[in-house]
Amino acid sequence: QVQLVESGGGVVQPGRSLRLSCAASGFTFSDYGMFWVRQAPGKGLEWVTLIWYDGSNKYYADSVKGRFTISRDNSKNMLFLQIHGLRGDDTAVYYCARALANSGNWLGLDLWGQGTLVTVSA
Amino acid sequence: DIQLTQSPSFLSASVGDRVTITCRASQGVGRWLAWYQQKPGKAPSLLIHTASTLQSGVPSRFSGSGSGTDFTLTISSLQPEDCGTYYCQQFDGFPTFGQGTKLEIQ
Repeated sequence: QVQLVESGGGVVQPGRSLRLSCAASGFTFSDYGMFWVRQAPGKGLEWVTLIWYDGSNKYYADSVKGRFTISRDNSKNMLFLQIHGLRGDDTAVYYCARALANSGNWLGLDLWGQGTLVTVSA
Repeated sequence: DIQLTQSPSFLSASVGDRVTITCRASQGVGRWLAWYQQKPGKAPSLLIHTASTLQSGVPSRFSGSGSGTDFTLTISSLQPEDCGTYYCQQFDGFPTFGQGTKLEIQ
């Protein structure tokens, strides 16, 4: 079954760290770039970070640069998001998503996980 | 960063109506624009990529058009299951999303 399953969310105190995971199955994970997208409660979608299919390039939204690190393990079909220095405005559902691409251009995110909720609260 | 502005932010329409949502970019993005539908409590689902290419499995009543700074998502005949929030996303620079358009069925 083609799917992405996130895990690792929870309630975390401000300033603490957290690692989110995304398990991919049913497709050749190493062929795809991957994104993390988050959605604060009642708000819209926000792109967080992306990583190329081979992990060679990573890009971050300004709002998370320096605190978030994306990585992947293609041998285990896993995507990760390491978050340091959690803040209240990081409270959101975090989705991992598979990216369609063609000749080096991203086209769209065609497969999404169910999301994992991160709540930053004292 | 490239800003995307969707209009309207909220839309109420009846079954069978033709519905149009627009997405305007703060600078040209070519045709590197996608549209998504999101139902409450669910992950978004890709409808259209590259401005006008219908994603596999998406009903043909959905269509997209535009290039540069102005894009349109059209639902030719609204169905009850089309309620939800619609987002555009550009991929020309760092990816950004529009703020969303909530579509309600009257």
